[in-house]
Amino acid sequence: GAGVSQTPSNKVTEKGKYVELRCDPISGHTALYWYRQSLGQGPEFLIYFQGTGAADDSGLPNDRFFAVRPEGSVSTLKIQRTERGDSAVYLCASSLTGQGITGELFFGEGSRLTVL
Amino acid sequence: GESVGLHLPTLSVQEGDNSIINCAYSNSASDYFIWYKQESGKGPQFIIDIRSNMDKRQGQRVTVLLNKTVKHLSLQIAATQPGDSAVYFCAEFYSSASKIIFGSGTRLSIRP
Repeated sequence: GAGVSQTPSNKVTEKGKYVELRCDPISGHTALYWYRQSLGQGPEFLIYFQGTGAADDSGLPNDRFFAVRPEGSVSTLKIQRTERGDSAVYLCASSLTGQGITGELFFGEGSRLTVL
Repeated sequence: GESVGLHLPTLSVQEGDNSIINCAYSNSASDYFIWYKQESGKGPQFIIDIRSNMDKRQGQRVTVLLNKTVKHLSLQIAATQPGDSAVYFCAEFYSSASKIIFGSGTRLSIRP
């Protein structure tokens, strides 16, 4: 596709369950970002990949959150033992390269996670 | 710590008038400042950015002004249209970390 694709668009789960959110970036974009956005707030940085490696995971809130990008394209954000406070929209963005250029990130429409 | 904030959470503007959205920042080490537009149910969309060594940059119907002395950033939208209704975020980009930090946003609504 032409843009960043995220699936599922909506996910409702129960507290304690495991969740995976998928991001398919724009073809050829080496940099990939995950953000979390709560209602009425700006996106909060979680993790940044350059290629297959996590260049900066300082935004992951705790060890229940983990993300991978094994082939340098699609990324999966994994959340274990979900809590109600994890409810938010999880945004993925990609850029051609994340180093030393402007901040033109291309965002997907997000995955809305609701933990009951 | 570093923060990017906004003066006003909501702004209502008459259609056709100019809009000015303001933002204050606290970290003078940022390399770029960026404005994003987010419509309901969508991801943020890049509007315009400005390097920290500039004080003004113009795009199509938009102008960004940067005042480093008072750490203030503004987005001016000329001849505001209904399609401009959205939440606008200012953000800081640190090229050394390749990380963008967002502020909390201003909702712009257009009166007919």
